[in-house]
Amino acid sequence: GAVVSQHPSRVICKSGTSVKIECRSLDFQATTMFWYRQFPKKSLMLMATSNEGSKATYEQGVEKDKFLINHASLTLSTLTVTSAHPEDSSFYICSARDRTIGQGTFFGQGTRLTVV
Amino acid sequence: GENVEQHPSTLSVQEGDSAVIKCTYSDSASNYFPWYKQELGKRPQLIIDIRSNVGEKKDQRIAVTLNKTAKHFSLHITETQPEDSAVYFCAAWQTGNQFYFGTGTSLTVIP
Repeated sequence: GAVVSQHPSRVICKSGTSVKIECRSLDFQATTMFWYRQFPKKSLMLMATSNEGSKATYEQGVEKDKFLINHASLTLSTLTVTSAHPEDSSFYICSARDRTIGQGTFFGQGTRLTVV
Repeated sequence: GENVEQHPSTLSVQEGDSAVIKCTYSDSASNYFPWYKQELGKRPQLIIDIRSNVGEKKDQRIAVTLNKTAKHFSLHITETQPEDSAVYFCAAWQTGNQFYFGTGTSLTVIP
C-alpha cells in the first residue's frame, strides 16, 4: 500500500528555536498533504492543507507565521515550527492523499515535539 | 462545514464480544467515510472505509454500515481480541475537500 514517511519521529528543542518536520509520500504523488496536531487522548486537529506549488490553507486559529508549510514537490511537504515554545509541544502528524486510490489518505508516523 | 460526532468516547468489552462505534455527520455532501485505528504513539491506520453509494461493507471481523438518510455510520468489530484495543476514529470526506474526524473512541478488550 501507499507509504508516507515522516521525519523526525521525535525531536526535543529549546524555546525560541525552529524545528522542521518532513512528510514524504514514498511511492505515490501527493498533490495534497494535510498537517494535524494531536493532543494526548484527543482527536486529530487539522492545522493546514498543503497543495503542491501553492500556498497552504490554514485552519482558523492556526498562526501561519508560526507554522510554516512548504509543499515544494509532489512527494514532499514540510512543516516548520518557528520560535517554538513549550505550549507547541505536541504530536504532529501529516497525511497525504493518493488520488489513484480513491480518496485514500495515508498517515505519516507522526513527530513528537518537545520544547524545553 | 461538516461536523462529525462519535460515540462512545470509551468502550470496554470482554474478549470475544462485539464492539460497535457510531458516528454521525451533518453535511449530506460527504461521500466517503473511512475508519482509522490508532495505537498509542503511532500513526492512524485505515482499517475499513465505505462510500456513499454502498450501505454496508465487511472485511473479516470488521464491518461498516452507512445510513445516508439518517447521516450516520457505524463500525462493528466481532469476536474482539486484545489486539483490537486502540483508539478508533471515524472520518467524513467530501470530494475536493478535507477529512473531518470524529473525537475518537478508546476501545479496551478485556482478556
